[in-house]
Amino acid sequence: SQTIHQWPATLVQPVGSPLSLECTVEGTSNPNLYWYRQAAGRGLQLLFYSVGIGQISSEVPQNLSASRPQDRQFILSSKKLLLSDSGFYLCAWSKRWPGGGDTEAFFGQGTRLTVV
Amino acid sequence: KNQVEQSPQSLIILEGKNCTLQCNYTVSPFSNLRWYKQDTGRGPVSLTIMTFSENTKSNGRYTATLDADTKQSSLHITASQLSDSASYICVVSVIRNAGNMLTFGGGTRLMVKP
Repeated sequence: SQTIHQWPATLVQPVGSPLSLECTVEGTSNPNLYWYRQAAGRGLQLLFYSVGIGQISSEVPQNLSASRPQDRQFILSSKKLLLSDSGFYLCAWSKRWPGGGDTEAFFGQGTRLTVV
Repeated sequence: KNQVEQSPQSLIILEGKNCTLQCNYTVSPFSNLRWYKQDTGRGPVSLTIMTFSENTKSNGRYTATLDADTKQSSLHITASQLSDSASYICVVSVIRNAGNMLTFGGGTRLMVKP
């Protein structure tokens, strides 16, 4: 069976400090990978998605970056955090079929980031 | 403008009552549409997924409908329970060259009161 791991669950970081959130998927290969952010009381905003190793698409300009060093590993980073980076970050994966379709997305449990 | 719009943004109903949540989308080309339930502080969990050719799909007390012509979907919750209190998110899968990509609505926050 497939599982997705995301850590840490909570994080408190000072303004200007770096950030690294990691997400790994097990039990599948060549998944689509996503990073989302959810501000308090708001919907999910897609930050990055990846269809393969080293292939990252950014949906919104921001203070964050993403990397996919391995097929099932997706990392969200920042060199210097801003107060506005606070939020709930979710990693997700979906299986990509050769014809272009994909299955439903499966989400990690999320990371609650507070920048102080 | 968000390409997947949900309404209402929030809703309060009494336990046992029914409710309907709406989702309108403009993204294309369309692959499938999903409804997710997200409990506070948790990741979303899938309720239903419908492809272009499906008009309705049920999952227990949840029934989703899809009109691909008008690009509208609804999620109907029957005989609501306190545990239904959550955010409900409509997600449209869009066909891109490199594969499908998910576009999320802003969600409807439902509160079921005793």
